[in-house]
Amino acid sequence: KNQVEQSPQSLIILEGKNCTLQCNYTVSPFSNLRWYKQDTGRGPVSLTIMTFSENTKSNGRYTATLDADTKQSSLHITASQLSDSASYICVVSAKQAGTALIFGKGTTLSVSS
Amino acid sequence: DTEVTQTPKHLVMGMTNKKSLKCEQHMGHRAMYWYKQKAKKPPELMFVYSYEKLSINESVPSRFSPECPNSSLLNLHLHALQPEDSALYLCASSQRTSGGHTDTQYFGPGTRLTVL
Repeated sequence: KNQVEQSPQSLIILEGKNCTLQCNYTVSPFSNLRWYKQDTGRGPVSLTIMTFSENTKSNGRYTATLDADTKQSSLHITASQLSDSASYICVVSAKQAGTALIFGKGTTLSVSS
Repeated sequence: DTEVTQTPKHLVMGMTNKKSLKCEQHMGHRAMYWYKQKAKKPPELMFVYSYEKLSINESVPSRFSPECPNSSLLNLHLHALQPEDSALYLCASSQRTSGGHTDTQYFGPGTRLTVL
């Protein structure tokens, strides 16, 4: 069964600190993995997308990694800001016709001053 | 322009009302989607339109009726909803529905629906 598991479920950090969010998946055949940021009451916004051959992808202070062998991904946030407080959702796409997007349940990040 | 717009932002309706949610994109995308999202849960796919034709209906109750008048517009008609239908309704679009790395879904800001 195609599944995406994220950890931790929630995280509280101080402004300026770094943090890492985890995503494990059992999606096959794998096509790509995306990280989305969703502010409360808003639609998700794409941060990064990685295919099978990509190990690392950066977008400003966000760096995503992918290990296709162990089927794990991480999202590292550097020098966190209050505006980073949001839900971060890992979404894996299967290589098949149709939408085939499998959503994780997300990690809720709270950055406090 | 990488924006998907949705109207209204908020909607409160009674169980006997008929209302519609609207979604628009001008990115030339040929795939459009409706999702339902409950609090602290990931989005759940409801419908997929590909080239203005309904391609996926995830066993959604008939009180939700989608419509795609043209390649830029997507509507969701609501009738006789239940209180448990209260949620954030998200519209998304992508170039195609293949799920490949070029087919990132761009989400709108959502409509917060409350059914009384």
